[in-house]
Amino acid sequence: AQSVTQPDIHITVSEGASLELRCNYSYGATPYLFWYVQSPGQGLQLLLKYFSGDTLVQGIKGFEAEFKRSQSSFNLRKPSVHWSDAAEYFCAVGAAGGFKTIFGAGTRLFVKA
Amino acid sequence: DADVTQTPRNRITKTGKRIMLECSQTKGHDRMYWYRQDPGLGLRLIYYSFDVKDINKGEISDGYSVSRQAQAKFSLSLESAIPNQTALYFCATSDQGQGVGGELFFGEGSRLTVL
Repeated sequence: AQSVTQPDIHITVSEGASLELRCNYSYGATPYLFWYVQSPGQGLQLLLKYFSGDTLVQGIKGFEAEFKRSQSSFNLRKPSVHWSDAAEYFCAVGAAGGFKTIFGAGTRLFVKA
Repeated sequence: DADVTQTPRNRITKTGKRIMLECSQTKGHDRMYWYRQDPGLGLRLIYYSFDVKDINKGEISDGYSVSRQAQAKFSLSLESAIPNQTALYFCATSDQGQGVGGELFFGEGSRLTVL
């Protein structure tokens, strides 16, 4: 069965520091992978997605993610965090040819001054 | 105005009451979804619809029903609300299957509290 694991429930980083949010997935074939962000009181917004090609994908707001098949991972990174990045981040997987998205439990990011 | 609009945004109700959450969209997408968000569990799919005549159960459909009144409208009903249905509910749309790279577009959520 497909599943998504985000090992960190919450992470605190200082403003200006680098960020990496972890995501591991379980899927029998090449997955379609997504990162969404949920700002307080808002719905989810797509940051980036991967389904083929270059394993390093660029997204909005300066985020990037790298697909590593050997590690079944799709970690999200940002070189320098801004206070406005404080939010909850969800990794998700979609099945090839399918129609459902499976979400991880989310990682809440806190940014300290 | 938001592309995906949910009403109400907040609702407090009592056990046993019937509740309807409404969703309307202006994106012109055929596919619509209802998700439930609980802390530590992420989002779980309740129901999804690919067009007005096509409605399907998701992973946690028990205790819920839906109606697709038009391409742009998709409502979620709780016939007899219970406290463990207290959650944040999201409506979402997409213009293609998730497995072919389709992005989900979310409403701002409806927070439901059942006392």
